Amino acid sequence: GQQLNQSPQSMFIQEGEDVSMNCTSSSIFNTWLWYKQDPGEGPVLLIALYKAGELTSNGRLTAQFGITRKDSFLNISASIPSDVGIYFCAGLSTSGTYKYIFGTGTRLKVLA
Amino acid sequence: AAGVIQSPRHLIKEKRETATLKCYPIPRHDTVYWYQQGPGQDPQFLISFYEKMQSDKGSIPDRFSAQQFSDYHSELNMSSLELGDSALYFCASGRVAYNEQFFGPGTRLTVL
Repeated sequence: GQQLNQSPQSMFIQEGEDVSMNCTSSSIFNTWLWYKQDPGEGPVLLIALYKAGELTSNGRLTAQFGITRKDSFLNISASIPSDVGIYFCAGLSTSGTYKYIFGTGTRLKVLA
Repeated sequence: AAGVIQSPRHLIKEKRETATLKCYPIPRHDTVYWYQQGPGQDPQFLISFYEKMQSDKGSIPDRFSAQQFSDYHSELNMSSLELGDSALYFCASGRVAYNEQFFGPGTRLTVL
């Protein structure tokens, strides 16, 4: 079945640094969604990408839909302590069914 | 803006008992998804509904069933509960035409 490899698994960074994470797959996706999840809470949608090559920003967040449609990355600029959490990518399956495949998550910790 | 509502937020059950989780999607959303998330795991897709009809099935145990009602709310029924069913259960809703998915706050199920 379709799988998403998300990296890195975890990151420790200093406040003010930029962060980059990505998701890759051997399969093609039609849509990429990026979420942030705080412990015990539901994932919150950060950015949605719908076209290959699309670059979208949301404040300090920037995400891109890879040209091959098999990958996506998320950048966070000038990180702040509240950026701490788990970031998930999710790709919309093209296998004939309408469901999202989730990446394994990137755990971000920001050191003040 | 209205969000996905889930109830209850916390539920404690004994082994072999039954549990029912409820989800109220965002108004005018035509799709509902159910996910299970274990500690340190990414959300695992269970089942989805489009316009009140089951549209896709994931790794949902036979002991679980779900349906979507005429008012679009959905219920996940879980029988013969096992210790391993302890997890966060999320409902998400979206509109197929927009390839979006918004999560609710989740129900934390603990099976003792």
